[in-house]
Amino acid sequence: DARVTQTPRHKVTEMGQEVTMRCQPILGHNTVFWYRQTMMQGLELLAYFRNRAPLDDSGMPKDRFSAEMPDATLATLKIQPSEPRDSAVYFCASGFLGGHEQYFGPGTRLTVT
Amino acid sequence: GDSVTQMEGPVTLSEEAFLTINCTYTATGYPSLFWYVQYPGEGLQLLLKATKADDKGSNKGFEATYRKETTSFHLEKGSVQVSDSAVYFCALSEGGSNYKLTFGKGTLLTVNP
Repeated sequence: DARVTQTPRHKVTEMGQEVTMRCQPILGHNTVFWYRQTMMQGLELLAYFRNRAPLDDSGMPKDRFSAEMPDATLATLKIQPSEPRDSAVYFCASGFLGGHEQYFGPGTRLTVT
Repeated sequence: GDSVTQMEGPVTLSEEAFLTINCTYTATGYPSLFWYVQYPGEGLQLLLKATKADDKGSNKGFEATYRKETTSFHLEKGSVQVSDSAVYFCALSEGGSNYKLTFGKGTLLTVNP
């Protein structure tokens, strides 16, 4: 049963610290998405990749957030420096060319104090 | 731009009641339409989809029909169970080379025994 995996599942950190979240997309999927979910804003698209190339990161605060795909099996989302307003659940999702459904990971719950 | 509007929640039903969650959309082309479900503490899961007008998506007793004339994709289930308690998201994808999903704000469903 192929699944998207995300690590860590939970992260508590202090303001100003660097946070790195990792995602392993489903093997063979070539689109990867990063979302942020909060009670106030709902589900927001931060960035997405196709064949490891960033296609759209307009939803991401550029000064502190960065997203990369070092290889086809790993996507990373980094926040440096973190702020309390970054507290949220961050989801990674993957999909494949020709289909438009996305498969979500379990999320990383980030708390910045 | 594209948008999805869902009925405001929360929705509270008794077991075996009939469920309808309304969803309407605005899109410039001919989008694919989706319903995703998020159980507590988990990521979103694809529940059903429809890719063209008059298509009916169905899964686990849930159904939704793509109505182009009313730009709607309402979710229905004839008899809900306690295990259906979750947040339901309607979403659309414009298709083509654009793989982004536009989500509604989600509707929280609680089913009581």
